[in-house]
Amino acid sequence: EAAVTQSPRNKVTVTGGNVTLSCRQTNSHNYMYWYRQDTGHGLRLIHYSYGAGNLQIGDVPDGYKATRTTQEDFFLLLELASPSQTSLYFCASSDGASQNTLYFGAGTRLSVL
Amino acid sequence: QQQVRQSPQSLTVWEGETAILNCSYEDSTFNYFPWYQQFPGEGPALLISIRSVSDKKEDGRFTIFFNKREKKLSLHITDSQPGDSATYFCAARASSGSWQLIFGSGTQLTVMP
Repeated sequence: EAAVTQSPRNKVTVTGGNVTLSCRQTNSHNYMYWYRQDTGHGLRLIHYSYGAGNLQIGDVPDGYKATRTTQEDFFLLLELASPSQTSLYFCASSDGASQNTLYFGAGTRLSVL
Repeated sequence: QQQVRQSPQSLTVWEGETAILNCSYEDSTFNYFPWYQQFPGEGPALLISIRSVSDKKEDGRFTIFFNKREKKLSLHITDSQPGDSATYFCAARASSGSWQLIFGSGTQLTVMP
């Protein structure tokens, strides 16, 4: 079964703070994604990657950077966190771009005060 | 703009009843429609999916009905159980161009015992 692990599970920071969210998948999937989930908006794609060193922009990328260091590891960086980035963040992976199942992690709840 | 719309936002049914969750979309190039189920504290997980060449897809108590002409689909959960209480996301993907999944805002289902 697909395994996607996110850390931390909860994070509180202040406005202007620096935050890194981590994601590791152990299924040899090529694609990894970062989504944010907000009430009334569902899941919105921030960034995604199809391999180590690759980065693609999603639908809501402003204020976020991401880096894919290995096939397994994908990081989301908030360098100047703002209250509007308070959200539930999900990492996901899939073994292909087209019509393949997304496997999600358990999420990271981020609060920016 | 929301390309995938879900209704109702929340739904409560009694155990044993049929829950009906609705989804509509705008883009006629969408041809793949997965439904994801999310329990509190967990990430979404694929429940059932349908392609636009079919008008019905059944998996146990879960059935998708698809109306291509009206750009609508619905998820029917028969003999609803308290364990079905979760948030359900409808999503859509185009046949060409951007392959990204577009998620609806979700329907929170509560099944009362």
